[in-house]
Amino acid sequence: TQLLEQSPQFLSIQEGENLTVYCNSSSVFSSLQWYRQEPGEGPVLLVTVVTGGEVKKLKRLTFQFGDARKDSSLHITAAQPGDTGLYLCAGAVTSYGKLTFGQGTILTVHP
Amino acid sequence: NAGVTQTPKFRILKIGQSMTLQCTQDMNHNYMYWYRQDPGMGLKLIYYSVGAGITDKGEVPNGYNVSRSTTEDFPLRLELAAPSQTSVYFCASRGLAGYNEQFFGPGTRLTVL
Repeated sequence: TQLLEQSPQFLSIQEGENLTVYCNSSSVFSSLQWYRQEPGEGPVLLVTVVTGGEVKKLKRLTFQFGDARKDSSLHITAAQPGDTGLYLCAGAVTSYGKLTFGQGTILTVHP
Repeated sequence: NAGVTQTPKFRILKIGQSMTLQCTQDMNHNYMYWYRQDPGMGLKLIYYSVGAGITDKGEVPNGYNVSRSTTEDFPLRLELAAPSQTSVYFCASRGLAGYNEQFFGPGTRLTVL
């Protein structure tokens, strides 16, 4: 079983601060995804990264896939209260879609 | 498109009771999945299906059963409910294209007392 370690588990910051969430594994993944989940709802896909060293930007969010495809990071610039939620990374070793999820990072952004 | 729908939204069961969690998707996706989410534990795969008539076990299948008679529906059956099955259950689906991107339903919160 592939394990994805996410850190930190909890993050409480003020509006306007920057933050980074990390997702690490000893396994190599063919693709890695980041999801965001709000209370009472299912996870919603933010991004998929597939190439080692790849960087993707989604407005104030920057996602990076490690060169060896074993780790990833999510950086949020100038966090806003609307960014509050549970952030999950998920990796797939093969192409047929079985995802391994990290335990999640609960982000709270205070106004 | 409604995407992935799940019913019920909430349910309380007594120990030993049985129930079926319903999941339907209208995106004509081949792959469907059932996960459970416990606090601080991310999502754990229970069962998955790669198409109608084909199902396989995930990481935590004990105490559950599934069937996939149509492309659209993927019900999850709990037999002899136990307190350890108290959790939030999510159904997800994906198509053949892309890189494993999954679409999730809104979840079913189940409590076993």
